[in-house]
Amino acid sequence: DGGITQSPKYLFRKEGQNVTLSCEQNLNHDAMYWYRQDPGQGLRLIYYSQIVNDFQKGDIAEGYSVSREKKESFPLTVTSAQKNPTAFYLCASVQRGPNTEAFFGQGTRLTVV
Amino acid sequence: QQQVKQSPQSLIVQKGGISIINCAYENTAFDYFPWYQQFPGKGPALLIAIRPDVSEKKEGRFTISFNKSAKQFSLHIMDSQPGDSATYFCAASKGSNDYKLSFGAGTTVTVRA
Repeated sequence: DGGITQSPKYLFRKEGQNVTLSCEQNLNHDAMYWYRQDPGQGLRLIYYSQIVNDFQKGDIAEGYSVSREKKESFPLTVTSAQKNPTAFYLCASVQRGPNTEAFFGQGTRLTVV
Repeated sequence: QQQVKQSPQSLIVQKGGISIINCAYENTAFDYFPWYQQFPGKGPALLIAIRPDVSEKKEGRFTISFNKSAKQFSLHIMDSQPGDSATYFCAASKGSNDYKLSFGAGTTVTVRA
């Protein structure tokens, strides 16, 4: 089945720790995105990549880092510099074309303990 | 700042009633307006989308109305069913070579049986 796989589903981070969220897609999409979802704030763009080995900051990139070494993979690292990392993280991929349909993974819920 | 403003934040409707969600945007470069549906603990999924060259698009019980001059668009859910209970997000993008979606804050719809 084609789609986007995010792992893990739940993740707990201690203060001062870096954690990496995985996102893999087999849709052969060029563009991939990371969003953060908080109650009442919708989806806010963290980072995006439109092609392998290239990525750009979104609206709330501080405290996060990404890499795009393969077309299928776009991991997100939440660093210790992110002061309020507890949130639901969503990865999406988009097929280039006139209609920007984004396909989302099932999300990773990150909690700081 | 949020490029797409969505209201209301939540609404409750009786089974068989009509749910209406409104969105407004400022950026006239936006030319693609999708709506996403999200169930708790899941990623959003595309529900219906419209381009500004049409004023209305209908798919089953879901209708988008678009007012280009007012820079507003809305989602109507006709004959609302308990299974429609979810969070709905409007979004906008510039299309062409820019595939970033700007999302509204979301509306939680509860359909009472």
